[in-house]
Amino acid sequence: SAVISQKPSRDICQRGTSLTIQCQVDSQVTMMFWYRQQPGQSLTLIATANQGSEATYESGFVIDKFPISRPNLTFSTLTVSNMSPEDSSIYLCSVLGRSNEKLFFGSGTQLSVL
Amino acid sequence: GQNIDQPTEMTATEGAIVQINCTYQTSGFNGLFWYQQHAGEAPTFLSYNVLDGLEEKGRFSSFLSRSKGYSYLLLKELQMKDSASYLCAVTSGGGKLIFGQGTELSVKP
Repeated sequence: SAVISQKPSRDICQRGTSLTIQCQVDSQVTMMFWYRQQPGQSLTLIATANQGSEATYESGFVIDKFPISRPNLTFSTLTVSNMSPEDSSIYLCSVLGRSNEKLFFGSGTQLSVL
Repeated sequence: GQNIDQPTEMTATEGAIVQINCTYQTSGFNGLFWYQQHAGEAPTFLSYNVLDGLEEKGRFSSFLSRSKGYSYLLLKELQMKDSASYLCAVTSGGGKLIFGQGTELSVKP
């Protein structure tokens, strides 16, 4: 299984500011994804992070709010822009394993917006 | 539309067997996952079913019926540490998963 390091693990931010979350994988992976888990809810896919091109966003998520970078096959960032309390969630980086079957998750970033 | 249903919560006794059901209606289907998530932690992979039938892995087994849009996760010899949320998720390919709401399992002594 891939080892996924995600940071920060948690942060408390002020309304209107932005936070960038980093995801580092210990091996090259083709597919990387960003999920959100709102309090008491299950996981919702935000976008697929594409290496060398713009991310592919799911319905309800836009690049201006959640810009994503993927400069290489082991690293990605997700920025939560112009935050509001509704953005308080756990944000999870995930990668598809070498068998292209299992999805592995980073430890997550617990974000609280005041 | 996409719809994945599982019970919100279940309670079981240590040493017993519990079955967590999941029904799905999705526009595409390549396989079904079960994940375990302890409070404050990331989900961890439990099982992946592509074909109909039962997949057994130690104390955990997962069953799939594609024609019925139905799966279950069976946990045997329950331990206190099995208290967690269990997430059913469907993939239509490309690594993208659609998750159900999760079933919160409480194991009592």
